[in-house]
Amino acid sequence: AQSVTQLGSHVSVSEGALVLLRCNYSSSVPPYLFWYVQYPNQGLQLLLKYTSAATLVKGINGFEAEFKKSETSFHLTKPSAHMSDAAEYFCAVKGTGGFKTIFGAGTRLFVKA
Amino acid sequence: DTAVSQTPKYLVTQMGNDKSIKCEQNLGHDTMYWYKQDSKKFLKIMFSYNNKELIINETVPNRFSPKSPDKAHLNLHINSLELGDSAVYFCASSPSTIAQETQYFGPGTRLLVL
Repeated sequence: AQSVTQLGSHVSVSEGALVLLRCNYSSSVPPYLFWYVQYPNQGLQLLLKYTSAATLVKGINGFEAEFKKSETSFHLTKPSAHMSDAAEYFCAVKGTGGFKTIFGAGTRLFVKA
Repeated sequence: DTAVSQTPKYLVTQMGNDKSIKCEQNLGHDTMYWYKQDSKKFLKIMFSYNNKELIINETVPNRFSPKSPDKAHLNLHINSLELGDSAVYFCASSPSTIAQETQYFGPGTRLLVL
């Protein structure tokens, strides 16, 4: 079985500051991990995903995430926040051979001017 | 040239009514999904079809019935609507059931039951 925990339902940063959104997972099989972003009144879109090819994954809009098996983590970072990054971010896990994607509860990112 | 489209975008209805939500994808994908997002933004899988065959059927009241007439369409019919059905319903698709594939989401249908 798989599960995902996102630490912090809300994160607030200043424009230009580092963004760090935390995600820890649990999986009984090697996992595939995803970060999706949801802008207001829109569907989710993929930011990046870990598929075991490389532990540091780069995504769109300057985001990246590092898979750390020892810490069962897949935290999302961006060096410098932009106002347009304000959105809801979801971490998700899917087990090898599984059909079902399990989503975390989401983290709302606020960016202050 | 929208990849995953849903109709309607908004749906306001009375308790006890029956309603349908339609989803279409033009990506040529084999697998489609219905998710429910509640007011706290929690996203939960409801159903998934692969090549018109039901492969995921979560613990959902049997008032909800999905139908996939072909690979490009997945509709959701809801009977006897209840207040707790108010939520945003997202359709999504992926190329197949392979675990590492990205899901592509529609814009959502905002259902409000009064």
